[in-house]
Amino acid sequence: GQNIDQPTEMTATEGAIVQINCTYQTSGFNGLFWYQQHAGEAPTFLSYNVLDGLEEKGRFSSFLSRSKGYSYLLLKELQMKDSASYLCAVNGRSNYQLIWGAGTKLIIKP
Amino acid sequence: GAVVSQHPSWVICKSGTSVKIECRSLDFQATTMFWYRQFPKQSLMLMATSNEGSKATYEQGVEKDKFLINHASLTLSTLTVTSAHPEDSSFYICSAKGKNEKLFFGSGTQLSVL
Repeated sequence: GQNIDQPTEMTATEGAIVQINCTYQTSGFNGLFWYQQHAGEAPTFLSYNVLDGLEEKGRFSSFLSRSKGYSYLLLKELQMKDSASYLCAVNGRSNYQLIWGAGTKLIIKP
Repeated sequence: GAVVSQHPSWVICKSGTSVKIECRSLDFQATTMFWYRQFPKQSLMLMATSNEGSKATYEQGVEKDKFLINHASLTLSTLTVTSAHPEDSSFYICSAKGKNEKLFFGSGTQLSVL
């Protein structure tokens, strides 16, 4: 079956670094997305990985290992506004019908 | 950047009435749009894939006669919740596939059925 796992909730301190992991088991793989979602709002795109390795974009970086079915989102220099849910999604087929993880709620403390 | 406009942002309706939600890609053409549903504290659940000029493809368990999807042009897809009931109350989100294979999301519609 199709399955995406990520932690339900994480807590971190303002200014610190946090890594949110995502493991997936899908019948196919055409890329992995990370989205940020604030409560009551639609998700916003953060990153897209299709090849192995680390993609860095400002304070956010995303890593992918296809052989391990594993990705992580790394957030540096945490700010209070980073408090949100972070969703991992895999494109298991070619037509962009994404398979979504349940999301990780990130709580930032001063 | 690419923008997807979704409206209304929220709607309250009586049980038994129908509600239409619009999703527009403002500065790009979207041959494919997706409709999602999200219950509180849960992840997005894909309801259907909307293809311009053809019938929508519904996910298993989604009633096509209840959730009518029309993708009449390259910039507009609509979702109509017919004969809405309280259990249809949810957050509905559309997305459109733009350049570089990114998905752009509408702002979502909070539907409350009384």
